[in-house]
Amino acid sequence: AQSVTQLDSQVPVFEEAPVELRCNYSSSVSVYLFWYVQYPNQGLQLLLKYLSGSTLVKGINGFEAEFNKSQTSFHLRKPSVHISDTAEYFCAVSGSGYARQLTFGSGTQLTVLP
Amino acid sequence: ETGVTQTPRHLVMGMTNKKSLKCEQHLGHNAMYWYKQSAKKPLELMFVYNFKEQTENNSVPSRFSPECPNSSHLFLHLHTLQPEDSALYLCASSQLSRGQGEKLFFGSGTQLSVL
Repeated sequence: AQSVTQLDSQVPVFEEAPVELRCNYSSSVSVYLFWYVQYPNQGLQLLLKYLSGSTLVKGINGFEAEFNKSQTSFHLRKPSVHISDTAEYFCAVSGSGYARQLTFGSGTQLTVLP
Repeated sequence: ETGVTQTPRHLVMGMTNKKSLKCEQHLGHNAMYWYKQSAKKPLELMFVYNFKEQTENNSVPSRFSPECPNSSHLFLHLHTLQPEDSALYLCASSQLSRGQGEKLFFGSGTQLSVL
């Protein structure tokens, strides 16, 4: 069994400030980890994913995430956010890498303020 | 044209109506999915089709009936729905890759309201 916890349901932050969106997971097997983003009135799109190798993963739009096995975390970071980053962010885990076995978190709404 | 197209974007229906949601993917993928997205809840996987064959049905009530006539089209037929079925229904596709972190491509969804 696997599960994902996104610790913050809403994160407001001022433009050009850094941001961290937290994600913790539990799984009895090796994991593949993902971050998806959903802009208003759109479907989700993949930001980045961790399969193996380097624990620091870089994604699109300047986002990166770090896999920490000991803390079972996969936090998402960006050093300087823009208004256009306002969206809902979903962390997801799969024990097999198959999309049909993805478990999503409940999402974090990031709101970037001017 | 976007990779995954869903119609209609919005749907309002009564509990006795019958309606269908349509999804079309233009990416050449061989797997398609229906998800339900309710406010403040994780995405719920409803159905999965691999090469037109249904491989997952996550205890979805029979008032939801999927159909996959080919690998590019996916339908969700709805009848006698309940108000709690109101949600955003998302279609997605992927290219099966033996578990190497398959990437899902989502449509924009159909916002369904059941009165």
